[in-house]
Amino acid sequence: EAQVTQNPRYLITVTGKKLTVTCSQNMNHEYMSWYRQDPGLGLRQIYYSMNVEVTDKGDVPEGYKVSRKEKRNFPLILESPSPNQTSLYFCASRATGHTEAFFGQGTRLTVV
Amino acid sequence: AQSVTQLDSQVPVFEEAPVELRCNYSSSVSVYLFWYVQYPNQGLQLLLKYLSGSTLVKGINGFEAEFNKSQTSFHLRKPSVHISDTAEYFCAVTTDTGRRALTFGSGTRLQVQP
Repeated sequence: EAQVTQNPRYLITVTGKKLTVTCSQNMNHEYMSWYRQDPGLGLRQIYYSMNVEVTDKGDVPEGYKVSRKEKRNFPLILESPSPNQTSLYFCASRATGHTEAFFGQGTRLTVV
Repeated sequence: AQSVTQLDSQVPVFEEAPVELRCNYSSSVSVYLFWYVQYPNQGLQLLLKYLSGSTLVKGINGFEAEFNKSQTSFHLRKPSVHISDTAEYFCAVTTDTGRRALTFGSGTRLQVQP
């Protein structure tokens, strides 16, 4: 089954404690991205990657890092989380030239 | 850069009534348009998309949308809603240039009442 898998689904952490949210897709898609969803703001792109070793900033990259060492994986790293990063995070992937994006189930992060 | 405006943050409607969720966009280049649905505690599911061709697009669960280039709109409609349609709906736009990000509207919560 074609899917995008994020882990964990829920995470509560403390300010400053580094964390990683994993994302994996099994569709051989070149393009992957991370979004955060906040009430009244819709989804905003954090980072994206057009292929292996090619990443770039989206609309709200501050406080986040990503890496793309393999085509299927695109982890989101918060080196020093802060309470304003409390949000619902989504990973998405799509094929080059194909505009439909497939989303993971989301990761609800709370930073206290 | 593109932007999306969803004009209604909440739309209450009675079961079996018709509904229209409004979406307007702005872009300096040609766009591709989407509607996604998010059920409680779930991810986003594609309802329908407009890439080119016929401006009336049919999607899953009986939804349809019409692309109107002159009015830069892509409104979502359903002739008769069910309780199970209660969810949040997002309009999104992307282009074939630049970083090709999906730009989302702020969402419309559809609340279907019995």
